Amino acid sequence: AQSVTQPDIHITVSEGASLELRCNYSYGATPYLFWYVQSPGQGLQLLLKYFSGDTLVQGIKGFEAEFKRSQSSFNLRKPSVHWSDAAEYFCAVGAGSNGAGKSTFGDGTTLTVKP
Amino acid sequence: DAGVTQSPTHLIKTRGQQVTLRCSPKSGHDTVSWYQQALGQGPQFIFQYYEKEERGRGNFPDRFSARQFPNYSSELNVNALLLGDSALYLCASSLGFSEAFFGQGTRLTVV
Repeated sequence: AQSVTQPDIHITVSEGASLELRCNYSYGATPYLFWYVQSPGQGLQLLLKYFSGDTLVQGIKGFEAEFKRSQSSFNLRKPSVHWSDAAEYFCAVGAGSNGAGKSTFGDGTTLTVKP
Repeated sequence: DAGVTQSPTHLIKTRGQQVTLRCSPKSGHDTVSWYQQALGQGPQFIFQYYEKEERGRGNFPDRFSARQFPNYSSELNVNALLLGDSALYLCASSLGFSEAFFGQGTRLTVV
């Protein structure tokens, strides 16, 4: 069975500081991995996705993520956080490349940005 | 392009009642997926429909059902509502295996 663990329920960073959100997955085959962002009361927006190839993937809004097969991790990073990045972030693993197949989501990490 | 639209945005129902949630996919998309997101949790996959056929189902009871229409819009039905069905219900659409886009969801409260 596939599963996703986001160890950090809540993270607070200062504006302009760097950010890393952790994601560990369990999947029996080559995983399709995703990061989504959700603002309060909103749906999910895809930040980036990994299927194969280069293990460092670039996404929207200046985010990037690195796939590490040996550690079963897909951590999300941003060099300099902006106040507008405050939101909830979800990591997901799935069998479908479209990101909305039978994907399994983590429980999310809430990001607070201090001025 | 209106993107993925869901209706209604909010809904309050009584235990035991039935509810129907609606989703219109992004223009040109043929695949619709439904998710349940309980408070403080990540979305959980309920159904996926492609070309009016169910292509996948998550671990949800038979009280949950869905269908897709010829115009690719979709309905999610939940019968015999329980308090635990209170959640944000998300719809996502895609064209085959392209990127999926999510709607803003329907907030269902069961009292």
